Formats: sequence, structure tokens, C-alpha cells
Amino acid sequence: AQKVTQAQTEISVVEKEDVTLDCVYETRDTTYYLFWYKQPPSGELVFLIRRNSFDEQNEISGRYSWNFQKSTSSFNFTITASQVVDSAVYFCALSEARGSGYSTLTFGKGTMLLVSP
Amino acid sequence: EPEVTQTPSHQVTQMGQEVILRCVPISNHLYFYWYRQILGQKVEFLVSFYNNEISEKSEIFDDQFSVERPDGSNFTLKIRSTKLEDSAMYFCASREFSQPDTEAFFGQGTRLTVV
Repeated sequence: AQKVTQAQTEISVVEKEDVTLDCVYETRDTTYYLFWYKQPPSGELVFLIRRNSFDEQNEISGRYSWNFQKSTSSFNFTITASQVVDSAVYFCALSEARGSGYSTLTFGKGTMLLVSP
Repeated sequence: EPEVTQTPSHQVTQMGQEVILRCVPISNHLYFYWYRQILGQKVEFLVSFYNNEISEKSEIFDDQFSVERPDGSNFTLKIRSTKLEDSAMYFCASREFSQPDTEAFFGQGTRLTVV
């Protein structure tokens, strides 16, 4: 069965610090997809990134970067020079191809990031 | 930018009452989902829906739950007889394709409070 573990329940940093959110996943499939979503205090889920299991290239988007390592089944998320607006709960999620052709997302428990001024 | 919209944003209901949560998926999307997030916990899959039928459901989605797409635009989740433990944020999501790399767009959620 697939599983996503976000061991960090809550992280507090001061503005401008760099912070890394950890995500470890379990799956038996060779083809799968990993996602990060942000949930700000307003409650909605905001898509941040998608990565497939065949692409281990790290990705950078502005202050955000993602480190995907298949060898350790990890897909970590780093925010550089954090800002107060980054305060949110961040969810890592896994999606696998199913025999029926359908797929769903399995979410981790989330990491609450608090960035103080 | 197209978005998934959910109504109401917050619903309070008495235990034992029926409740219907409504969602309008993105218009060209074909795959629809309901997820649930109990306060402070992770987001959990409830059910997926395609071509007017359920394609997959989780253990949470028991006989008290049902979904339908009554008019080609709305996608609803009905809870027949609410329990206290049904209190949660319910998210609707839609995808254009079924492939697992396709982004799921989530609505802003409906917070259901059962008293």
C-alpha cells in the first residue's frame, strides 16, 4: 500500500531563514507521481509542484526548490528566504497508476510552517 | 482562471440530519473527487467519480455517503444521517484526465460541523 510520511508536524522559523520540509513515501509501483500542496489559513489546497518517478532532476521555482531522491524515497521541499506569507500547512502527496486507469492522491499528515517576522 | 467552486463554505447541521455538499468542477474536466480533512489531520480520499458512476471509493465512504452529478455541472456529496465524527473540511477536486500525473484542482472546501 502507498504511504506518505511527513515526520515534521510543525516548524517555526524567523523570516529570511531557509527551511526544508521532509517527505518520505512508500510505493510498490515503478511509475508514480509526487505532489506538494500548500494549505494557507484560509483552508484551500493550492497546487505547488508535480514530479514523476522517472525524473529525478531537482527543480527550482523562485524561492521554492524540490529535491527528489528515489534512492531514499524522499521528495523534500525547501523554501529559501522564508516570508510570513509562507506560513501554511504543506502537504506532500503520492499518486499511482491503478489497473483501472484511475488514480487518487494519498496525502501525508502535513507540516505546519510558521514564519515569524 | 478556471476554478472548482464549493458551496456552502461552512455548514452546521444537527446529528442525524441529511446534508448535501455541492461542487462545480472545472467545465472541461471529466474526473471528480471528494476528499475529507478532519481538523488538524491529513487529507483523506473518499470517492472518485467518472462517467456518472463511482470509479473508486475508500473505506470511509460507507452507505451513509452518496455522490451524484444531477445536472452535468454540479457534483454533490450527500451524507444521509450525519454523525459527530463527520465534522470535517470536505474538498471537491476535478481533473481533466485520469492519468496520475494530471493535476487535481481543489475547491476551497466546505467546513461541515455536526452538533
